[in-house]
Amino acid sequence: GNSVTQMEGPVTLSEEAFLTINCTYTATGYPSLFWYVQYPGEGLQLLLKATKADDKGSNKGFEATYRKETTSFHLEKGSVQVSDSAVYFCALSNAGGTSYGKLTFGQGTILTVHP
Amino acid sequence: NAGVTQTPKFQVLKTGQSMTLQCAQDMNHNSMYWYRQDPGMGLRLIYYSASEGTTDKGEVPNGYNVSRLNKREFSLRLESAAPSQTSVYFCASMAEGRAEETQYFGPGTRLLVL
Repeated sequence: GNSVTQMEGPVTLSEEAFLTINCTYTATGYPSLFWYVQYPGEGLQLLLKATKADDKGSNKGFEATYRKETTSFHLEKGSVQVSDSAVYFCALSNAGGTSYGKLTFGQGTILTVHP
Repeated sequence: NAGVTQTPKFQVLKTGQSMTLQCAQDMNHNSMYWYRQDPGMGLRLIYYSASEGTTDKGEVPNGYNVSRLNKREFSLRLESAAPSQTSVYFCASMAEGRAEETQYFGPGTRLLVL
């Protein structure tokens, strides 16, 4: 079955530091890959996505590249801000008629950015 | 547009009590989902509805039932709550249920079962 593994957290950084959150996956076929973000007290919202191998998703300075050869989708940002403090979830969705868009999530990584 | 709304925001139940979590979306989406979020475990799918009139089990359906009341509304029912069902519950929707689409999430319901 599908599975997503994220790096253990929590991650604590100073403002303007470089961020990497690792994500690897196991899936059949060619899944779509996502990063969702959850700010304190809120629901999840899409941060970025990639739907085929070698695609790069980007948004708000965050980037992630779909690497099929290493089954990875690592999240990066060159300079984090205090406002980036949140929980980050890596997720996948299988293509195919019976997937119905169901998401498989990683366990989430808590990011705290200090001034 | 309100997007995806959930009620209630918070609820405390005693073991054995029942309750229904309500979810509605105003985006004319076909597919809707219920997830639970537990610390260190990410979100896990409880039930989903690929389209109006259909529902199917997800990864952790035991102890829950759902109703797709119409295209807008998808409710989750706990018939006899247990402490293991203490969690944060999220409803989500998606336009067509295709793998590459974005899911839109509600703000969540925090449930405590004593």
